[in-house]
Amino acid sequence: SQQGEEDPQALSIQEGENATMNCSYKTSINNLQWYRQNSGRGLVHLILIRSNEREKHSGRLRVTLDTSKKSSSLLITASRAADTASYFCATDVANAGGTSYGKLTFGQGTILTVHP
Amino acid sequence: DGGITQSPKYLFRKEGQNVTLSCEQNLNHDAMYWYRQDPGQGLRLIYYSQIVNDFQKGDIAEGYSVSREKKESFPLTVTSAQKNPTAFYLCASSRFWGQAFFGQGTRLTVV
Repeated sequence: SQQGEEDPQALSIQEGENATMNCSYKTSINNLQWYRQNSGRGLVHLILIRSNEREKHSGRLRVTLDTSKKSSSLLITASRAADTASYFCATDVANAGGTSYGKLTFGQGTILTVHP
Repeated sequence: DGGITQSPKYLFRKEGQNVTLSCEQNLNHDAMYWYRQDPGQGLRLIYYSQIVNDFQKGDIAEGYSVSREKKESFPLTVTSAQKNPTAFYLCASSRFWGQAFFGQGTRLTVV
């Protein structure tokens, strides 16, 4: 089964609105990453948050991580039509001591559509 | 120009054939990964490798094989034992515990 599960599966908003996507995972992690995929293309890395961090910002992106709830959220502020894509969370799985297995697993993704 | 290159972009396989997908990186990354993506779905991990001459099975390794003879290269063979190979295959590389860089993918179709 997938390590990460995104919610919602699909999100449709108007330009200028904020978009929030959530990710839940099952096991200990070393870090959690968010990626973007345009249709039929490879994935592009957006942001990485380590297990000892709670919040991180990059431009219009804000990521939070709650390791006690095994969940993360990605907020895109002031969305644009060009933000239309699929967004995936990925977890770098670790053992209970926090050592990475070097195994990067992805969730099902959220399809974001931003209408002009 | 550093990056990760997958070839070919499109590949057609006849029933019962083995085919090999190429993945090369010049980023000096130690870790490399192969994922499968079905339409409208997430990425499922097939195999991953942290160092040369070593690799581990991911969640859906049955019907696939890999090798890691060189740091730069991580080819994936889709064998005839893979009963439903039609999918989009993505290769990625990363430094240890860092962000992954993806190739543009190979779309495999069984004809």
